[in-house]
Amino acid sequence: KNQVEQSPQSLIILEGKNCTLQCNYTVSPFSNLRWYKQDTGRGPVSLTIMTFSENTKSNGRYTATLDADTKQSSLHITASQLSDSASYICVVHFLGSNYQLIWGAGTKLIIKP
Amino acid sequence: EAQVTQNPRYLITVTGKKLTVTCSQNMNHEYMSWYRQDPGLGLRQIYYSMNVEVTDKGDVPEGYKVSRKEKRNFPLILESPSPNQTSLYFCASSLRQGGTYEQYFGPGTRLTVT
Repeated sequence: KNQVEQSPQSLIILEGKNCTLQCNYTVSPFSNLRWYKQDTGRGPVSLTIMTFSENTKSNGRYTATLDADTKQSSLHITASQLSDSASYICVVHFLGSNYQLIWGAGTKLIIKP
Repeated sequence: EAQVTQNPRYLITVTGKKLTVTCSQNMNHEYMSWYRQDPGLGLRQIYYSMNVEVTDKGDVPEGYKVSRKEKRNFPLILESPSPNQTSLYFCASSLRQGGTYEQYFGPGTRLTVT
């Protein structure tokens, strides 16, 4: 079954610290892997999109990595800010009949001052 | 400004009373879709549309209808809402389906069915 699992479910860190969020997937075959940021009650906003041939991609203080062999991805946030408090969702693009996006449940990140 | 808009943002209704949630995009995107988001679960796709007059079921289509008469609009229709359709709904659009096309989301519609 195609699944995307994220860990941890929630995380609390102090402002200025770094953190890493994990994503494991069983989706196959896949086209690309995406990370989204979702503020409470708002629509997801794309952070990165990586194809299966890319190992890393950065967007400011956000760096995503992808290991297609082990089917794992991570999102590293550097020097966290209060505005980073949000849910971070890993999404894998399944190359099935309708190019379906398989969504993880997300990691809820809270940055404390 | 490029955006996806949804209306209403909040809606409380009663079981069985038909409702429509509108979605509009101004980016000339071909692909549009509807998702629902429930606590502890990932977004689940309800319906999608690859272009005008082309729609298809997603993962959880039961109890919903859609139409795509114009490229910019993709309304979601609940003919007879039930309490299990209480959820947060998102409309999204992208230039095309598949590939690495960016998907843009609307602000969400929080629906409560009593």
